[in-house]
Amino acid sequence: ILNVEQSPQSLHVQEGDSTNFTCSFPSSNFYALHWYRWETAKSPEALFVMTLNGDEKKKGRISATLNTKEGYSYLYIKGSQPEDSATYLCAFRDSGNTPLVFGKGTRLSVIA
Amino acid sequence: GAGVSQSPSNKVTEKGKDVELRCDPISGHTALYWYRQSLGQGLEFLIYFQGNSAPDKSGLPSDRFSAERTGGSVSTLTIQRTQQEDSAVYLCAASPQAYSPLHFGNGTRLTVT
Repeated sequence: ILNVEQSPQSLHVQEGDSTNFTCSFPSSNFYALHWYRWETAKSPEALFVMTLNGDEKKKGRISATLNTKEGYSYLYIKGSQPEDSATYLCAFRDSGNTPLVFGKGTRLSVIA
Repeated sequence: GAGVSQSPSNKVTEKGKDVELRCDPISGHTALYWYRQSLGQGLEFLIYFQGNSAPDKSGLPSDRFSAERTGGSVSTLTIQRTQQEDSAVYLCAASPQAYSPLHFGNGTRLTVT
Protein backbone atom coordinates (compact mmCIF):
# COMPACT_ATOMS: atom_id res chain seq x y z
CA ILE A 1 0.00 0.00 0.00
CA LEU A 2 1.43 3.36 -1.02
CA ASN A 3 2.02 5.86 1.76
CA VAL A 4 1.12 9.48 1.07
CA GLU A 5 1.85 11.81 3.96
CA GLN A 6 0.68 15.38 4.38
CA SER A 7 1.85 17.91 6.91
CA PRO A 8 0.85 19.71 8.93
CA GLN A 9 -2.43 18.01 9.80
CA SER A 10 -4.02 21.38 10.48
CA LEU A 11 -3.05 25.01 10.27
CA HIS A 12 -4.52 28.27 11.52
CA VAL A 13 -3.36 31.49 9.86
CA GLN A 14 -4.41 35.11 9.91
CA GLU A 15 -6.00 36.71 6.88
CA GLY A 16 -3.25 38.06 4.63
CA ASP A 17 -0.60 35.57 5.76
CA SER A 18 1.07 33.34 3.21
CA THR A 19 1.32 29.67 4.01
CA ASN A 20 2.51 26.38 2.61
CA PHE A 21 2.11 22.69 3.28
CA THR A 22 3.76 19.49 2.20
CA CYS A 23 2.85 16.23 0.52
CA SER A 24 5.34 13.35 0.62
CA PHE A 25 5.08 10.28 -1.58
CA PRO A 26 7.24 7.31 -2.61
CA SER A 27 10.03 8.42 -4.93
CA SER A 28 10.58 5.05 -6.62
CA ASN A 29 7.92 5.15 -9.38
CA PHE A 30 6.05 8.30 -10.29
CA TYR A 31 3.11 8.88 -12.62
CA ALA A 32 1.17 11.88 -11.29
CA LEU A 33 0.52 14.00 -8.23
CA HIS A 34 -2.84 15.75 -7.72
CA TRP A 35 -3.93 18.52 -5.36
CA TYR A 36 -7.58 18.99 -4.37
CA ARG A 37 -9.44 21.47 -2.19
CA TRP A 38 -12.27 20.10 -0.08
CA GLU A 39 -14.61 22.62 1.49
CA THR A 40 -17.05 21.59 4.18
CA ALA A 41 -20.35 20.23 2.83
CA LYS A 42 -18.97 20.14 -0.72
CA SER A 43 -17.12 17.56 -2.79
CA PRO A 44 -13.37 17.78 -3.46
CA GLU A 45 -12.37 20.01 -6.36
CA ALA A 46 -9.20 19.59 -8.39
CA LEU A 47 -6.55 22.29 -8.12
CA PHE A 48 -3.59 20.82 -10.01
CA VAL A 49 -2.38 17.69 -11.74
CA MET A 50 1.41 17.53 -11.84
CA THR A 51 3.33 15.04 -13.91
CA LEU A 52 6.89 16.28 -14.46
CA ASN A 53 9.74 16.72 -12.01
CA GLY A 54 10.26 20.42 -11.42
CA ASP A 55 6.69 21.27 -12.44
CA GLU A 56 5.29 24.49 -11.02
CA LYS A 57 1.60 25.22 -11.38
CA LYS A 58 -0.29 28.35 -10.41
CA LYS A 59 -3.97 29.26 -10.09
CA GLY A 60 -4.55 32.74 -8.71
CA ARG A 61 -2.97 32.95 -5.27
CA ILE A 62 -2.35 29.21 -5.07
CA SER A 63 0.70 27.52 -6.52
CA ALA A 64 2.37 24.13 -6.28
CA THR A 65 5.80 22.65 -6.91
CA LEU A 66 6.88 19.08 -7.51
CA ASN A 67 10.08 17.15 -6.79
CA THR A 68 9.69 13.56 -7.95
CA LYS A 69 13.32 12.61 -7.21
CA GLU A 70 12.94 13.26 -3.50
CA GLY A 71 9.21 12.55 -3.35
CA TYR A 72 7.54 15.76 -2.25
CA SER A 73 5.23 18.52 -3.43
CA TYR A 74 4.52 21.86 -1.80
CA LEU A 75 1.30 23.84 -2.00
CA TYR A 76 1.58 27.57 -1.39
CA ILE A 77 -1.18 30.07 -0.69
CA LYS A 78 -0.24 33.73 -0.92
CA GLY A 79 -2.22 36.28 1.08
CA SER A 80 -4.67 33.79 2.62
CA GLN A 81 -8.34 34.76 2.67
CA PRO A 82 -11.16 33.31 4.81
CA GLU A 83 -12.60 31.63 1.70
CA ASP A 84 -9.37 29.61 1.42
CA SER A 85 -10.42 27.72 4.55
CA ALA A 86 -10.73 24.08 3.50
CA THR A 87 -8.96 20.75 3.64
CA TYR A 88 -6.25 20.45 1.02
CA LEU A 89 -5.67 16.92 -0.23
CA CYS A 90 -2.86 15.53 -2.28
CA ALA A 91 -3.11 12.26 -4.19
CA PHE A 92 -0.42 10.14 -5.81
CA ARG A 93 -0.37 7.43 -8.40
CA ASP A 94 2.62 5.38 -9.49
CA SER A 95 1.30 4.23 -12.86
CA GLY A 96 -1.54 4.80 -15.30
CA ASN A 97 -3.18 1.55 -14.22
CA THR A 98 -3.19 2.06 -10.49
CA PRO A 99 -5.59 4.13 -8.39
CA LEU A 100 -4.98 7.54 -6.89
CA VAL A 101 -4.00 7.24 -3.24
CA PHE A 102 -4.91 10.21 -1.09
CA GLY A 103 -3.15 11.68 1.90
CA LYS A 104 -5.15 12.57 5.00
CA GLY A 105 -5.12 16.24 4.09
CA THR A 106 -4.13 19.53 5.68
CA ARG A 107 -7.02 21.42 7.26
CA LEU A 108 -6.50 25.16 6.79
CA SER A 109 -8.42 27.75 8.77
CA VAL A 110 -7.97 31.39 7.83
CA ILE A 111 -9.01 33.80 10.55
CA ALA A 112 -10.31 37.22 9.51
CA GLY B 1 -24.76 14.44 -17.30
CA ALA B 2 -23.24 17.71 -16.15
CA GLY B 3 -21.44 16.14 -13.22
CA VAL B 4 -20.98 12.97 -11.20
CA SER B 5 -24.29 12.09 -9.61
CA GLN B 6 -24.61 9.94 -6.50
CA SER B 7 -27.71 8.57 -4.88
CA PRO B 8 -29.04 8.52 -2.31
CA SER B 9 -27.45 11.56 -0.70
CA ASN B 10 -28.26 10.22 2.75
CA LYS B 11 -29.05 6.70 3.90
CA VAL B 12 -29.89 5.54 7.38
CA THR B 13 -30.10 1.79 7.80
CA GLU B 14 -30.29 -0.73 10.57
CA LYS B 15 -27.33 -2.94 11.37
CA GLY B 16 -27.50 -6.15 9.38
CA LYS B 17 -29.39 -4.74 6.42
CA ASP B 18 -27.97 -4.53 2.89
CA VAL B 19 -27.52 -1.18 1.15
CA GLU B 20 -26.82 -0.20 -2.42
CA LEU B 21 -25.15 3.08 -3.36
CA ARG B 22 -25.24 4.39 -6.89
CA CYS B 23 -22.85 6.50 -8.93
CA ASP B 24 -23.63 7.93 -12.36
CA PRO B 25 -20.44 9.44 -13.80
CA ILE B 26 -19.96 12.02 -16.53
CA SER B 27 -20.40 10.49 -19.99
CA GLY B 28 -17.07 9.36 -21.39
CA HIS B 29 -15.31 9.20 -18.03
CA THR B 30 -13.94 5.68 -18.26
CA ALA B 31 -12.12 5.62 -14.93
CA LEU B 32 -14.34 5.44 -11.85
CA TYR B 33 -13.32 5.31 -8.21
CA TRP B 34 -15.09 4.67 -4.92
CA TYR B 35 -13.64 6.21 -1.76
CA ARG B 36 -15.02 6.62 1.71
CA GLN B 37 -14.37 9.03 4.53
CA SER B 38 -15.06 7.85 8.02
CA LEU B 39 -15.36 10.36 10.85
CA GLY B 40 -12.01 12.04 11.45
CA GLN B 41 -10.25 10.05 8.74
CA GLY B 42 -8.90 10.82 5.28
CA LEU B 43 -10.16 9.50 1.97
CA GLU B 44 -9.90 5.71 1.97
CA PHE B 45 -9.63 4.02 -1.43
CA LEU B 46 -12.16 1.22 -1.97
CA ILE B 47 -12.19 0.17 -5.61
CA TYR B 48 -11.20 1.43 -9.06
CA PHE B 49 -12.85 0.66 -12.40
CA GLN B 50 -11.38 1.15 -15.84
CA GLY B 51 -14.37 0.72 -18.12
CA ASN B 52 -16.35 -2.21 -16.73
CA SER B 53 -13.41 -4.04 -15.24
CA ALA B 54 -11.97 -3.49 -11.78
CA PRO B 55 -8.18 -3.79 -11.92
CA ASP B 56 -7.87 -2.87 -8.27
CA LYS B 57 -10.26 -4.08 -5.57
CA SER B 58 -7.62 -4.01 -2.87
CA GLY B 59 -9.33 -1.34 -0.83
CA LEU B 60 -12.59 -3.17 -0.19
CA PRO B 61 -12.56 -3.66 3.59
CA SER B 62 -14.30 -7.03 3.68
CA ASP B 63 -16.20 -9.52 1.56
CA ARG B 64 -19.41 -7.75 2.58
CA PHE B 65 -18.44 -5.04 0.12
CA SER B 66 -18.83 -5.46 -3.63
CA ALA B 67 -19.12 -3.16 -6.60
CA GLU B 68 -20.00 -3.45 -10.21
CA ARG B 69 -20.11 -1.24 -13.24
CA THR B 70 -22.16 -1.86 -16.34
CA GLY B 71 -21.95 -0.33 -19.79
CA GLY B 72 -18.87 1.62 -18.74
CA SER B 73 -21.17 4.02 -16.96
CA VAL B 74 -23.26 3.59 -13.80
CA SER B 75 -21.62 1.87 -10.84
CA THR B 76 -23.20 0.43 -7.72
CA LEU B 77 -21.46 -0.24 -4.43
CA THR B 78 -23.24 -2.84 -2.33
CA ILE B 79 -22.65 -3.39 1.36
CA GLN B 80 -24.19 -6.54 2.78
CA ARG B 81 -25.06 -7.06 6.45
CA THR B 82 -24.06 -3.50 7.34
CA GLN B 83 -22.15 -2.85 10.53
CA GLN B 84 -21.85 0.36 12.51
CA GLU B 85 -18.24 0.79 11.39
CA ASP B 86 -19.52 1.07 7.80
CA SER B 87 -20.95 4.50 8.66
CA ALA B 88 -19.12 7.01 6.50
CA VAL B 89 -19.45 9.31 3.51
CA TYR B 90 -19.01 7.26 0.34
CA LEU B 91 -17.62 9.30 -2.54
CA CYS B 92 -17.55 8.38 -6.20
CA ALA B 93 -15.14 10.06 -8.61
CA ALA B 94 -14.50 9.73 -12.33
CA SER B 95 -12.05 10.91 -14.94
CA PRO B 96 -11.70 10.56 -18.71
CA GLN B 97 -8.00 9.71 -18.77
CA ALA B 98 -5.24 8.61 -16.44
CA TYR B 99 -3.67 12.09 -16.37
CA SER B 100 -6.95 13.90 -15.83
CA PRO B 101 -8.15 15.21 -12.48
CA LEU B 102 -10.98 13.42 -10.72
CA HIS B 103 -14.49 14.81 -10.72
CA PHE B 104 -16.23 13.92 -7.48
CA GLY B 105 -19.87 13.40 -6.73
CA ASN B 106 -21.46 14.92 -3.63
CA GLY B 107 -21.28 11.62 -1.80
CA THR B 108 -23.68 9.37 0.07
CA ARG B 109 -23.70 9.74 3.84
CA LEU B 110 -24.38 6.28 5.25
CA THR B 111 -25.42 5.90 8.86
CA VAL B 112 -25.78 2.41 10.31
CA THR B 113 -27.79 2.37 13.53
